[in-house]
Amino acid sequence: DAGVIQSPRHEVTEMGQEVTLRCKPISGHDYLFWYRQTMMRGLELLIYFNNNVPIDDSGMPEDRFSAKMPNASFSTLKIQPSEPRDSAVYFCASSFSPSGGMAFFGQGTRLTVV
Amino acid sequence: QKEVEQNSGPLSVPEGAIASLNCTYSDRGSQSFFWYRQYSGKSPELIMFIYSNGDKEDGRFTAQLNKASQYVSLLIRDSQPSDSATYLCAVLSNTGKLIFGQGTTLQVKP
Repeated sequence: DAGVIQSPRHEVTEMGQEVTLRCKPISGHDYLFWYRQTMMRGLELLIYFNNNVPIDDSGMPEDRFSAKMPNASFSTLKIQPSEPRDSAVYFCASSFSPSGGMAFFGQGTRLTVV
Repeated sequence: QKEVEQNSGPLSVPEGAIASLNCTYSDRGSQSFFWYRQYSGKSPELIMFIYSNGDKEDGRFTAQLNKASQYVSLLIRDSQPSDSATYLCAVLSNTGKLIFGQGTTLQVKP
């Protein structure tokens, strides 16, 4: 298996634009997690899915953020409209465990909003 | 008080020495504890996990857990320059969420 695959690796966008981040989890993993990492706040869980169903989205910072998982092999995280404070590295991770502690992380998407 | 606290470092040790990384947590109900390693510009990767009080060894790595003191540590024996990275402590809270510390940067000098 190629591991968790995220795209794009880097994204630079202007404030107010819509940004969509994509993730393909490891086949057979029932849990998918979206994290955001910044110097100030560290690694934060935004939302996680179990069998394509969102279970906990309490970490999503505000309504500008939305996430979907239409099938077991694909998930998106969308920010609309984007703001400079959304600049961060966004990681997708997948796991066979609900805790996420045994998760495998993708390479991340470095988002810069100017 | 942060839920999971780590000294940001950098912790600098000479090659061949033992590196000791520490982590404290606030949720007494936490049951599972994880150590991730993150190289600069890369994603976190799981290197150790521990559930029970005491020590757990895996090669050059030893995780130590003391639930009474709410303390987790990671020891790296015979440290190598390739161990230079940021080490993230993660704690599974009793609400089911995995909470990460800010990480400790380790520098192993040849």
